[in-house]
Amino acid sequence: DAKTTQPPSMDCAEGRAANLPCNHSTISGNEYVYWYRQIHSQGPQYIIHGLKNNETNEMASLIITEDRKSSTLILPHATLRDTAVYYCIVRMGVETSGSRLTFGEGTQLTVNP
Amino acid sequence: EAGVTQFPSHSVIEKGQTVTLRCDPISGHDNLYWYRRVMGKEIKFLLHFVKESKQDESGMPNNRFLAERTGGTYSTLKVQPAELEDSGVYFCASSQWGGRNEQFFGPGTRLTVL
Repeated sequence: DAKTTQPPSMDCAEGRAANLPCNHSTISGNEYVYWYRQIHSQGPQYIIHGLKNNETNEMASLIITEDRKSSTLILPHATLRDTAVYYCIVRMGVETSGSRLTFGEGTQLTVNP
Repeated sequence: EAGVTQFPSHSVIEKGQTVTLRCDPISGHDNLYWYRRVMGKEIKFLLHFVKESKQDESGMPNNRFLAERTGGTYSTLKVQPAELEDSGVYFCASSQWGGRNEQFFGPGTRLTVL
């Protein structure tokens, strides 16, 4: 799996958009970008994933650059409950179901009131 | 629908003792994974079951760790004998075969070896 680079920490004001960047310059053509988060003392939680097109779901949006070397996770209206460690993970996607997740250090997002 | 459950939530044992962690995946999920986070480190993969078969056990640290998934339902992870460096949080996750391959994680078992 390709290695990812994320800033160690970020702050965001409650109600504002949180934009979390991730670099994955060695991503291969058949690897997906996945985002998970871990709220303190809980298990990691899936957020969203994508291959090359931008994706949106009820939790967040994922913007992947055209060259696929980086991506941004967007939480459109951050709340205090979004305070967590966010992990950007590159891995084989649905075509090879059942593969490990390789967690890095992630980004500690702190949403401030 | 019930999520992934793990038992116990906490376990405190002495070095040299044996501990068995249990994971109940989401019903119908063929894939079951074990991960752990030891103090100050990243979450690391331990192994992956597809039904009752070990698909990938390359992350198991040594032969003191034994994972089983008899019948392809729940799984157990036994540590025998436990060492101080085994302390950490052990997570279990499950996913459906195919689909978007989202892994659903349990709340974890916090293991403390004294």
